[in-house]
Amino acid sequence: AQSVTQLGSHVSVSEGALVLLRCNYSSSVPPYLFWYVQYPNQGLQLLLKYTTGATLVKGINGFEAEFKKSETSFHLTKPSAHMSDAAEYFCAVSDQGLSGAGSYQLTFGKGTKLSVIP
Amino acid sequence: DTAVSQTPKYLVTQMGNDKSIKCEQNLGHDTMYWYKQDSKKFLKIMFSYNNKELIINETVPNRFSPKSPDKAHLNLHINSLELGDSAVYFCASSSGMWAYEQYFGPGTRLTVT
Repeated sequence: AQSVTQLGSHVSVSEGALVLLRCNYSSSVPPYLFWYVQYPNQGLQLLLKYTTGATLVKGINGFEAEFKKSETSFHLTKPSAHMSDAAEYFCAVSDQGLSGAGSYQLTFGKGTKLSVIP
Repeated sequence: DTAVSQTPKYLVTQMGNDKSIKCEQNLGHDTMYWYKQDSKKFLKIMFSYNNKELIINETVPNRFSPKSPDKAHLNLHINSLELGDSAVYFCASSSGMWAYEQYFGPGTRLTVT
């Protein structure tokens, strides 16, 4: 079974500082990995994803994440935090659904709330 | 031109009532999902439908019954509502087996009193 661990339920950074949100996963097969962002009172929005290929993936709003197989990690970073980055961030891992079903299941971490201090 | 829409956005009801939440997607996706997000923001999948067929049915009380009249709609009906059903319910959709991201609706905040 897949699982995701997000270290730190709450992270605070100063505006302009580096953002680092940690995500570790467990998977018996090569995973597909995602970061989603949830702004207050809104649904989740995909930030970036890793499926295959380049292990450093770039997403929207200046975020990027690096897949490190040896560390089973997929940490999210942004060089310079902006006030608008304050939100809840979810790391997720997927497995393939039933063979041929054309579906998959996302397993989410418990989320990390990012606060940006002016 | 909202991609995934849900109605209603807020739902306040009393214990024991029956209520429905509707979801529609205009992305042409063939897979739709229902998630429950609890007060601690933890997201858990409840159901998944692919081409109107139930694919994932997690351990959910059978008071919850999803219905997919067509590929663009996945509704959630809840019977005999309980206090513990209070949560935010998200609908999501995705496209086929080679697209891995899910698109989420804005959520329905259900409060049972």
